[in-house]
Amino acid sequence: GAVVSQHPSWVICKSGTSVKIECRSLDFQATTMFWYRQFPKQSLMLMATSNEGSKATYEQGVEKDKFLINHASLTLSTLTVTSAHPEDSSFYICSASRQVRGEQFFGPGTRLTVL
Amino acid sequence: SQKIEQNSEALNIQEGKTATLTCNYTNYSPAYLQWYRQDPGRGPVFLLLIRENEKEKRKERLKVTFDTTLKQSLFHITASQPADSATYLCALVGSSNTGKLIFGQGTTLQVKP
Repeated sequence: GAVVSQHPSWVICKSGTSVKIECRSLDFQATTMFWYRQFPKQSLMLMATSNEGSKATYEQGVEKDKFLINHASLTLSTLTVTSAHPEDSSFYICSASRQVRGEQFFGPGTRLTVL
Repeated sequence: SQKIEQNSEALNIQEGKTATLTCNYTNYSPAYLQWYRQDPGRGPVFLLLIRENEKEKRKERLKVTFDTTLKQSLFHITASQPADSATYLCALVGSSNTGKLIFGQGTTLQVKP
């Protein structure tokens, strides 16, 4: 149990386009979902926390108008990178938790490359 | 400022030996600490959680210690195998109610046969 999927697993897009990444909890209901970004040889940096049905809470320095997060149901959260630029190229990872301070289960990640 | 530090240098050990990884933190009062394994191009996989009032936790060949006085956690893999080769991340959860995880930069372990 406690499987989290992400789609797509990788995406290449042109600069200026928008990209949507989905995060799904397959066998449990996720009260809270988290979005992380990881640059090569660096650690995971939390971008935002989202609770089902409410607005996401963004970490300092993360532009909420650029990284749109929607947590529309207890099993799905989406991250949309709007007007992507090459510096947005990174590995994006989501995690899901049954409760606010519960164990987080991580997705396999999405590799975004912006040309 | 708040910091979590793991040894950024790769750890190379011989198969069968015990690997010991270190996680130090400053200016945190974590409610609990977690260790994850991450393989290249994959998301982290949860290994162990230890709470602030626990000194040691074990799971099969894994052992974690947590010293809140030293502000340090040690992660041990006994009888290491080449399949244990990966990057190991420690993560702290603060005492707030947000459940946010703050990750260290990870230590890469290479177990040689």
